Amino acid sequence: NAGVTQTPKFRVLKTGQSMTLLCAQDMNHEYMYWYRQDPGMGLRLIHYSVGEGTTAKGEVPDGYNVSRLKKQNFLLGLESAAPSQTSVYFCASSYSKVSGNTIYFGEGSWLTVV
Amino acid sequence: DQQVKQNSPSLSVQEGRISILNCDYTNSMFDYFLWYKKYPAEGPTFLISISSIKDKNEDGRFTVFLNKSAKHLSLHIVPSQPGDSAVYFCAASVSNAGGTSYGKLTFGQGTILTVHP
Repeated sequence: NAGVTQTPKFRVLKTGQSMTLLCAQDMNHEYMYWYRQDPGMGLRLIHYSVGEGTTAKGEVPDGYNVSRLKKQNFLLGLESAAPSQTSVYFCASSYSKVSGNTIYFGEGSWLTVV
Repeated sequence: DQQVKQNSPSLSVQEGRISILNCDYTNSMFDYFLWYKKYPAEGPTFLISISSIKDKNEDGRFTVFLNKSAKHLSLHIVPSQPGDSAVYFCAASVSNAGGTSYGKLTFGQGTILTVHP
């Protein structure tokens, strides 16, 4: 009963390095999302996807790229990491685009950029 | 500009009593509101939601009240249990035509609820 799985769970990066966070869901959901959570703030949407091969910008997309080559996977890339990208990243997925539809979150990936 | 605000960073209640978590919003276009619960080192999990056409929604021990004129919603937990201790996030969305929002949620900062035995 995996649901939404994120890898890696923890990572320390040096400024300027690149990395990719992988999100996998086994619920056959069409819609997937990447959020970030910072201290004292709510989760903020980075990018989202409404289906395989599609991506769209969310509220805070700068500095990130995403890809959805397979329906079950949604990748979040940092091309040149900055200390401001130190955060907890949550991937999520949902079956429907209808408002109020349940969104399922992964356990989070803790990223520190030094 | 924080469109969804939870002004109480923390709340402490005794087991068996009522917990009331509050949330204010500024965007009058929000038409769906949700509460998520989050335990440490886990992702948020959906708790309860309410459409803007309603003023109350109940699910077991959890009730959400919406006051559109005041742009305020609250989550009531009765009775509170130690297992309810977690961070509670209020979230809101704006629907496009057809009632879709594509999961684009605006979250509040969260309130840490501690329920003492």
